[in-house]
Amino acid sequence: EDQVTQSPEALRLQEGESSSLNCSYTVSGLRGLFWYRQDPGKGPEFLFTLYSAGEEKEKERLKATLTKKESFLHITAPKPEDSATYLCAVQAANAGGTSYGKLTFGQGTILTVHP
Amino acid sequence: DTEVTQTPKHLVMGMTNKKSLKCEQHMGHRAMYWYKQKAKKPPELMFVYSYEKLSINESVPSRFSPECPNSSLLNLHLHALQPEDSALYLCASSFSAYYEQYFGPGTRLTVT
Repeated sequence: EDQVTQSPEALRLQEGESSSLNCSYTVSGLRGLFWYRQDPGKGPEFLFTLYSAGEEKEKERLKATLTKKESFLHITAPKPEDSATYLCAVQAANAGGTSYGKLTFGQGTILTVHP
Repeated sequence: DTEVTQTPKHLVMGMTNKKSLKCEQHMGHRAMYWYKQKAKKPPELMFVYSYEKLSINESVPSRFSPECPNSSLLNLHLHALQPEDSALYLCASSFSAYYEQYFGPGTRLTVT
């Protein structure tokens, strides 16, 4: 069974204090790993897709990296507006049939950035 | 444009009511999804439509009935819901089931 574990559960940072969020996964062949940002009461906002170990993607202050066992979301010099819940999800390469399109989500990391 | 729209934003309904949630996308995506999300939990998949056909039903109770009238629209019909069905209902779409999913803003449902 596919599993995703995110750590820490919650992270408090001062503005400008860089840090990383972790997403460890177990999947029967990785098709893709997805990062989302979710603000309270809103739908998740797509950030990145990573497909293979060694891949990196960047967007503004965020950088996502992938190894064979985990992914990191690095936040450089965060601002208060980066405060949100960050969700990681994986999709298995053999996700056909009854698992077609299914994502396995982690529990999320709640990030709070204080000014 | 990567926009998925959902209506209504909020819905309060009694346990004997019948209501519908609506989702729309104009990105040409052929896979559409319904999720349920409880507070402080990740989204939980309910249904997947691929090319307007139901591909996955995650053992959802029959009081939830999905419908995909065309490739841009997805409905969720609600009937005889229970208070524990109160949650944020999210719609998502993707180019196909193997691509990133784009979520709508959600409908906050309260069952009284």
